[in-house]
Amino acid sequence: GDSVTQMEGPVTLSEEAFLTINCTYTATGYPSLFWYVQYPGEGLQLLLKATKADDKGSNKGFEATYRKETTSFHLEKGSVQVSDSAVYFCALQGYNFNKFYFGSGTKLNVKP
Amino acid sequence: EPEVTQTPSHQVTQMGQEVILRCVPISNHLYFYWYRQILGQKVEFLVSFYNNEISEKSEIFDDQFSVERPDGSNFTLKIRSTKLEDSAMYFCASSDPSLAFPYEQYFGPGTRLTVT
Repeated sequence: GDSVTQMEGPVTLSEEAFLTINCTYTATGYPSLFWYVQYPGEGLQLLLKATKADDKGSNKGFEATYRKETTSFHLEKGSVQVSDSAVYFCALQGYNFNKFYFGSGTKLNVKP
Repeated sequence: EPEVTQTPSHQVTQMGQEVILRCVPISNHLYFYWYRQILGQKVEFLVSFYNNEISEKSEIFDDQFSVERPDGSNFTLKIRSTKLEDSAMYFCASSDPSLAFPYEQYFGPGTRLTVT
């Protein structure tokens, strides 16, 4: 069945460091891929998305490229800020748009 | 910006008790969902709801669980007789498939359920 695996956290970085959070997926067909972010005390917010192979989703300096050959959708940011501290979830929406498959989340701590 | 709200933020209950988790989806959305996340594990789909009936449910969503849209704004998840393993964060979500594909789901902040 469809599933998502993402790197475990927490990830601790200094401000302005480069961020990569790995995400790989298993799915039949051509899923859509998402990154959601959860700030403390808030809901899951869509960060970016990609609907087909080689698409690049981007938002707020974050990027992720849909790689079908490696079944990956890694999240990157060139220079993190303290305000990026949050939990990041990779998710997949398959042929059944009724549900998402999520990874377990990766907590990012950015220190000044 | 419209948002999904959930109450309470934290619920503590004793094993065997009934709990109702409440959600107010975004007002013009038509699909509603519940997910849960046991500490340290993945966010798991529980159920989707459309047109006043369940459209899909997971294996987790057994007879102990039920969902309801009692009025035009609320969407509830009831657990009839809670077990220790029901302790988790429960997320409500809603979506509007009239918007462009893919159909983004909008999530609430979650209710942390602790069963003692």
